[in-house]
Amino acid sequence: AQSVTQPDIHITVSEGASLELRCNYSYGATPYLFWYVQSPGQGLQLLLKYFSGDTLVQGIKGFEAEFKRSQSSFNLRKPSVHWSDAAEYFCAVGARGGTASKLTFGTGTRLQVTL
Amino acid sequence: EAQVTQNPRYLITVTGKKLTVTCSQNMNHEYMSWYRQDPGLGLRQIYYSMNVEVTDKGDVPEGYKVSRKEKRNFPLILESPSPNQTSLYFCASRNSGGLSYNEQFFGPGTRLTVL
Repeated sequence: AQSVTQPDIHITVSEGASLELRCNYSYGATPYLFWYVQSPGQGLQLLLKYFSGDTLVQGIKGFEAEFKRSQSSFNLRKPSVHWSDAAEYFCAVGARGGTASKLTFGTGTRLQVTL
Repeated sequence: EAQVTQNPRYLITVTGKKLTVTCSQNMNHEYMSWYRQDPGLGLRQIYYSMNVEVTDKGDVPEGYKVSRKEKRNFPLILESPSPNQTSLYFCASRNSGGLSYNEQFFGPGTRLTVL
């Protein structure tokens, strides 16, 4: 069974500082990997996804993530955080091979941005 | 505009009073799914549907029912709600063609409180 671990429940960074949110997954093969963002009172919006190919994936809002097979990780990064990035971030893994495959989500990391 | 809609957005009810949360998508997606989000637990899948009249249990189906009589609609039914079903609920949909995993689109969420 697939699983996702987001070890940081809450992170605080200053506006303009760099950001890295950690995500580790467990899956028997190369999975599909996603990062979603949930702003307060909103639904989930897809930031980026990894299916195959280049292990550095660019997303919306200046975010990027790097798939590292050897570390079973898919960490999310942003060089310079803006106050509007304050939100909850979810990493998710999807199993390959089958149209019924579901997304398994991590428990989320809440990002606070100080001015 | 491509979207997933849910109604109601907020609901307070009492134990045992049957309720239905509606979900509708306008993207002609085959796959639809319900999740509940609880603090510290992330999103967990309740039920999913591969297409009309095809539904199956997710990770936490107890106490819930679903139906898929039309492709665009996927209501979530709580026959006898209990306080442990107080949660934030999300409906999602995606294409399910082939072996690739397509982006999942989420509704805005329904915050349910069962007293």
